[in-house]
Amino acid sequence: GAVVSQHPSWVICKSGTSVKIECRSLDFQATTMFWYRQFPKQSLMLMATSNEGSKATYEQGVEKDKFLINHASLTLSTLTVTSAHPEDSSFYICSARGVVSYNSPLHFGNGTRLTVT
Amino acid sequence: GENVEQHPSTLSVQEGDSAVIKCTYSDSASNYFPWYKQELGKRPQLIIDIRSNVGEKKDQRIAVTLNKTAKHFSLHITETQPEDSAVYFCAANSGNEKLTFGTGTRLTIIP
Repeated sequence: GAVVSQHPSWVICKSGTSVKIECRSLDFQATTMFWYRQFPKQSLMLMATSNEGSKATYEQGVEKDKFLINHASLTLSTLTVTSAHPEDSSFYICSARGVVSYNSPLHFGNGTRLTVT
Repeated sequence: GENVEQHPSTLSVQEGDSAVIKCTYSDSASNYFPWYKQELGKRPQLIIDIRSNVGEKKDQRIAVTLNKTAKHFSLHITETQPEDSAVYFCAANSGNEKLTFGTGTRLTIIP
């Protein structure tokens, strides 16, 4: 149980374009999903908390107008990188909990490797 | 907010020997401490976790210990095998829904 699916697995786009990444909980409902970014050989950095039916909560230093998050249903959250630039190239991973409990595991999607040329 | 430090950043171990990775956290409200294994280009996979009401947990070759007073927790892998080679991350919540990750340890098992 608690399977999180992410799409696409990789994407290459040109500078200035926008890219949408989807995160789905396949066998459970997730009122909250988390979006992380991971640069090569670095740790996972939380970007934002995606809340179903309400606005996302962004971490300090993350531009909410650049990284648009929509969580329109209990099984789908999307992250749109707007006007992407080469420095946005990274590994983006979503995650969610299968149960509503703060001391339970986060399950991760398979990640999206974004390359901006 | 929570700050999680992890050591060492790299670790090489002879196959069959034990590996130990240590983490410290700053927020005394943290009550959940998972460990994730990440292979190159793949998603982090939970390998073991511990909650603040216990001091130790074991699952076959993997064990985690927690010292709440000192605010540190450790991952122990015994009888290491080549497939244990990966990057390992510790994490801690701050008594809330967010997880803060350590900086990672690249473990290499030498055949």
